[in-house]
Amino acid sequence: ETGVTQSPTHLIKTRGQQVTLRCSSQSGHNTVSWYQQALGQGPQFIFQYYREEENGRGNFPPRFSGLQFPNYSSELNVNALELDDSALYLCASSLYGAETQYFGPGTRLLVL
Amino acid sequence: QQQVKQSPQSLIVQKGGISIINCAYENTAFDYFPWYQQFPGKGPALLIAIRPDVSEKKEGRFTISFNKSAKQFSLHIMDSQPGDSATYFCAAGVYSNYKLTFGKGTLLTVNP
Repeated sequence: ETGVTQSPTHLIKTRGQQVTLRCSSQSGHNTVSWYQQALGQGPQFIFQYYREEENGRGNFPPRFSGLQFPNYSSELNVNALELDDSALYLCASSLYGAETQYFGPGTRLLVL
Repeated sequence: QQQVKQSPQSLIVQKGGISIINCAYENTAFDYFPWYQQFPGKGPALLIAIRPDVSEKKEGRFTISFNKSAKQFSLHIMDSQPGDSATYFCAAGVYSNYKLTFGKGTLLTVNP
């Protein structure tokens, strides 16, 4: 059984640029959630995808958007990057209807 | 608005001692309370979780105590080991939508 994988592991961007982060869900899981974890903070829910559609969103602006593909993998896109977007971005997969979410190792984004 | 408050921010325990981390929540709609363990450079990993229909759940050295009337829950780590040194996050969720709200984390250090 393959766990949740994310790419890239690290990324450096400048303010105003756009970034795409990728996530492959654990085998058999059909739901993907994205979280932002700022340094020294707990993860904050960005949004969740199920059946290729957004299935809930946290308090994040529209410049945070996502996609889910037929193989359940997912992308997080952030436009017009701001310095405060610097964080660890975590992807979590689960089986729809089950409580447990399994997290990937994250992508650390630094915005300069 | 921080919906899950976690304390202490950091904790130092001697090997063999008991580690206790506390969380309080505000939203009475929460009905799922997991604890996650995170090592540096890794994503959070589910440790143990509880639903509000029980007051205590034990798995090995880890126990969750839950007080629904006080809207509080805590993690007890018995016989703490240096390998338990990590950041621990409590979280709360609503079963129907699986969005998790995390506390700010507790950095646990277990001295040998």
